[in-house]
Amino acid sequence: AQSVTQLGSHVSVSEGALVLLRCNYSSSVPPYLFWYVQYPNQGLQLLLKYTSAATLVKGINGFEAEFKKSETSFHLTKPSAHMSDAAEYFCAVSLYNFNKFYFGSGTKLNVKP
Amino acid sequence: DAGITQSPRHKVTETGTPVTLRCHQTENHRYMYWYRQDPGHGLRLIHYSYGVKDTDKGEVSDGYSVSRSKTEDFLLTLESATSSQTSVYFCAISEGRGQGATEQYFGPGTRLTVT
Repeated sequence: AQSVTQLGSHVSVSEGALVLLRCNYSSSVPPYLFWYVQYPNQGLQLLLKYTSAATLVKGINGFEAEFKKSETSFHLTKPSAHMSDAAEYFCAVSLYNFNKFYFGSGTKLNVKP
Repeated sequence: DAGITQSPRHKVTETGTPVTLRCHQTENHRYMYWYRQDPGHGLRLIHYSYGVKDTDKGEVSDGYSVSRSKTEDFLLTLESATSSQTSVYFCAISEGRGQGATEQYFGPGTRLTVT
């Protein structure tokens, strides 16, 4: 079975500080990995995805994530937080040639002025 | 933005009544999904469809049924609503190419309250 663990249901950073949101997955086969962002009262928007090409993936709004197979991790980072980054972030995994997706429980990012 | 709409956007209903939520897409994507979102649980898959009249259960399918008679429409029915089904429901679509998964695109959500 596949699962996704997001460490920290709430993360708070100061504006301009590094953002690090953690995601670990369990999968018996190479996965596809995704990060989504959800703003209040909206649906989820894709930030970035890993599909077995480059291990460092760049997404929208200055976010990036690195796939580390040895650590089964796909952490999301942004060098400098902006107030507009305050939202909930979800990590998701899917398997090669299989169209079901498994989501983590989410991390709410708070950005302090 | 992907063309996905959900209706209604908000609904309040009484325990024991049937409820149908509609998802409509204009992208002609093969795969459609229904999720529920609850605090602390992220998104949990209820049912999904991999083509017209082809559906399968997700992890929280009890008390829900689905139908897909056209590519563009995917209906979720709560056969007899219960308070535990109070949630925000999201529809998603995916192109689902044969070699590997593609990303999902999400609708705006339906907030359902069962009293």
